[in-house]
Amino acid sequence: GAVVSQHPSRVICKSGTSVKIECRSLDFQATTMFWYRQFPKQSLMLMATSNEGSKATYEQGVEKDKFLINHASLTLSTLTVTSAHPEDSSFYICSAPNPGLADEQYFGPGTRLTVT
Amino acid sequence: QKEVEQDPGPLSVPEGAIVSLNCTYSNSAFQYFMWYRQYSRKGPELLMYTYSSGNKEDGRFTAQVDKSSKYISLFIRDSQPSDSATYLCAMSSLNDYKLSFGAGTTVTVRA
Repeated sequence: GAVVSQHPSRVICKSGTSVKIECRSLDFQATTMFWYRQFPKQSLMLMATSNEGSKATYEQGVEKDKFLINHASLTLSTLTVTSAHPEDSSFYICSAPNPGLADEQYFGPGTRLTVT
Repeated sequence: QKEVEQDPGPLSVPEGAIVSLNCTYSNSAFQYFMWYRQYSRKGPELLMYTYSSGNKEDGRFTAQVDKSSKYISLFIRDSQPSDSATYLCAMSSLNDYKLSFGAGTTVTVRA
């Protein structure tokens, strides 16, 4: 079946630095991908919709200048957390719609970001 | 009020028991309903997908949707320790890929 990968799986960075997270659809093309954030013991919160060939759409309360999204190709979206702070420490998960059944989404394995 | 309400539990059951999970929602535009399973520190895995009221069965799993009551359920029969995970309900509107998630219910099946 379709697979979505993320890299890295975990990253530790110092406060003030930037971190890039990649999301790839491995055997299908995705014009749209989604980025979620999940804090411990909480549900997934949609951060933004990544659109190939156009700007990302951010959910209310998500700083677009802090969370930069680039949908570079039909199989790759990147999320860059700029000037990271400890409160940005979280589990970041991407998803992509099933091309055969768009209302079904495949999720990546997630990236655990720890900002020290 | 959240769009999707789900009791976070935790829920602990003995092996072989039936696990019953529920979500309610307030947005009548939701047409597609999903249940995801998430193991610790992993991405969610789709378990069940439904778009009409009624029951849908897949092995030990049964998803139930009641659109008139805005209520969905997931039943796990003959539960196994490997079913121990967090179960998230999710829903979306017609022609909108965005998913709205419930808080997730943490389930532990005791051997």
